[in-house]
Amino acid sequence: KNQVEQSPQSLIILEGKNCTLQCNYTVSPFSNLRWYKQDTGRGPVSLTIMTFSENTKSNGRYTATLDADTKQSSLHITASQLSDSASYICVVSAISGGYNKLIFGAGTRLAVHP
Amino acid sequence: NAGVTQTPKFQVLKTGQSMTLQCAQDMNHEYMSWYRQDPGMGLRLIHYSVGAGITDQGEVPNGYNVSRSTTEDFPLRLLSAAPSQTSVYFCASRKGSRGEQYFGPGTRLTVT
Repeated sequence: KNQVEQSPQSLIILEGKNCTLQCNYTVSPFSNLRWYKQDTGRGPVSLTIMTFSENTKSNGRYTATLDADTKQSSLHITASQLSDSASYICVVSAISGGYNKLIFGAGTRLAVHP
Repeated sequence: NAGVTQTPKFQVLKTGQSMTLQCAQDMNHEYMSWYRQDPGMGLRLIHYSVGAGITDQGEVPNGYNVSRSTTEDFPLRLLSAAPSQTSVYFCASRKGSRGEQYFGPGTRLTVT
């Protein structure tokens, strides 16, 4: 069964600190892996998209890594800001009959405190 | 570009009532989808469309209908609302199967 699991469920850090969020998946056949940021009361917004051959991708202070062999990904946030408080969702895309089906993790809720 | 727009933002229905959630995008994307988001769970796909006139069921389609008469619009119809349909609904669009997916702001639906 295609599944995406994220850890931790929630995390509290102090402003300025770094943090790393984890994503493990059992999805086949794999197409790509995406990280989204979802602010409270809003729709998810794409941070990164990585294909099988990409090990790392950055978007400002956000850096995603992908290990396709172990089926793990991480999202590292550097020098956190209060505006980083949000849910971060890992999404793995599986190829299904020519259509890329997106499988969503439940998300990690990050709170950045001053 | 307005991106993906959804109306209404909030809605309260009584059990058995019907309604339509509106979704529109102005990016000329072929792919459009409807998801529901419930606490502690990932977004789940309700229905999707790969182009005007073409729709298909997702993971949780029961109790919902869709149609795609134009590229821009993809309404979601609740036929007879049930409390189990209380959720936040997101519409999304993307250009091509592998394209970046853009989400609307969501509709928070409560069924009493």
